[in-house]
Formats: sequence, C-alpha cells, structure tokens
Amino acid sequence: DSGVTQTPKHLITATGQRVTLRCSPRSGDLSVYWYQQSLDQGLQFLIQYYNGEERAKGNILERFSAQQFPDLHSELNLSSLELGDSALYFCASSPSHPTPVSEQYFGPGTRLTVT
Amino acid sequence: SQELEQSPQSLIVQEGKNLTINCTSSKTLYGLYWYKQKYGEGLIFLMMLQKGGEEKSHEKITAKLDEKKQQSSLHITASQPSHAGIYLCGADSQGGSEKLVFGKGTKLTVNP
Repeated sequence: DSGVTQTPKHLITATGQRVTLRCSPRSGDLSVYWYQQSLDQGLQFLIQYYNGEERAKGNILERFSAQQFPDLHSELNLSSLELGDSALYFCASSPSHPTPVSEQYFGPGTRLTVT
Repeated sequence: SQELEQSPQSLIVQEGKNLTINCTSSKTLYGLYWYKQKYGEGLIFLMMLQKGGEEKSHEKITAKLDEKKQQSSLHITASQPSHAGIYLCGADSQGGSEKLVFGKGTKLTVNP
C-alpha cells in the first residue's frame, strides 16, 4: 500500500459524458501527478500540481483538466468523453519539490471505460 | 522528446532462473526509476538510480545504470512466481523536473 488513494476504482460511462477522478496523496506529500495508461500509448504523464499550483503539463487534452485543493487532494476532470479515453488513470505523489529527482508513489488507479 | 525502449517486451522464465530486463534512453538520463505493476493495478516503486555506474539491490532484484550507454538493466536472481508482473522503467525527462516518461514495459511470467 503506497498511501495514495484513488476513487472510484472503476468507472463506466457513455461517450460525451463528464467524469471526475479523485486522488488523495500520501500524508505530507505536496506534489500530485496524473498519468494515463492505455494499451497503445503506454503510461503517459498528464499533469503535475505542487501545493495547489500547476507545475508541469504533459500530454493532457484540452477536454481534460485538473486541480489540487488546499487539503492537497486532487481531482482530474474528463469531459466530452470519447471511446479512446478508456484507460487506467493513475495518480502519484512525491514528498517535495523542487528536487532534481524524487520517487513518485502511485495509487491503485481508476479504470475508466467509455462505451 | 525523450523515449525509453525496453527489451524484451515479454519474458517467460522457469522459476529459479535468472533474467535481465533492459531500458535504453534516446537522451541523457538524469534519473532512472524502476517500477513493477501487477495487471490492472498501481505501480510499485522499486529503485531509483541517479549516477552513472550506480547499482542498487533489493532482495533478489538488482538495477544498474550505465550513463554512457544511456541504459539501465534490471536483473532478477532465482526468479519466483511473486516476481511476475510488468516492469516499467521511467526517466526524468528534463533534468531538474519531475516529469517522468516511461517505457512500454516488460511483461514477466514466471512458471512454477
């Protein structure tokens, strides 16, 4: 158990809908990262927040957005869902920033299925 | 952008055998991470390598970083069914950032 929690574990929804994925980082971790893992693309970095502020952006679609709240939990919002958005969405947290390198601890993931 | 290529893509070994998984970067490595993932589950952090020539071990798993070759290897000694899963290497893509890029993974099956 990494200490990172994600809800829900599974989500099934229809195309065009909007969903919100939630992540609670490990106690004391200020950085939260979101990743998408699909069969064809592998694991891809989406976005990072540090202490409430966006820190880095990766391959995140404009239909997707995220935020980190004062209590440090984070939400990833996915809208106008398409079949291709079906994937595992992981949240990770790390102890501090900035550091040149630091290990990220991953949550169990949310499996999103768009039908 | 940086890319990580892992080899082999999949590996089936008999319990007790040794095996090696490689991860090669297209660009300079600033930090290399190894993670293990069981099907449909989260990633478990295994090891982080930062310096050329660095070698770390945890139980029967050893990882090495060859900075000049921009490559890391993960070696499992006397494999067990509990080692089965997908092994992913990740790298710090921009040196100083925490934006990780990952390889596609190596699927390991250990037959009893």
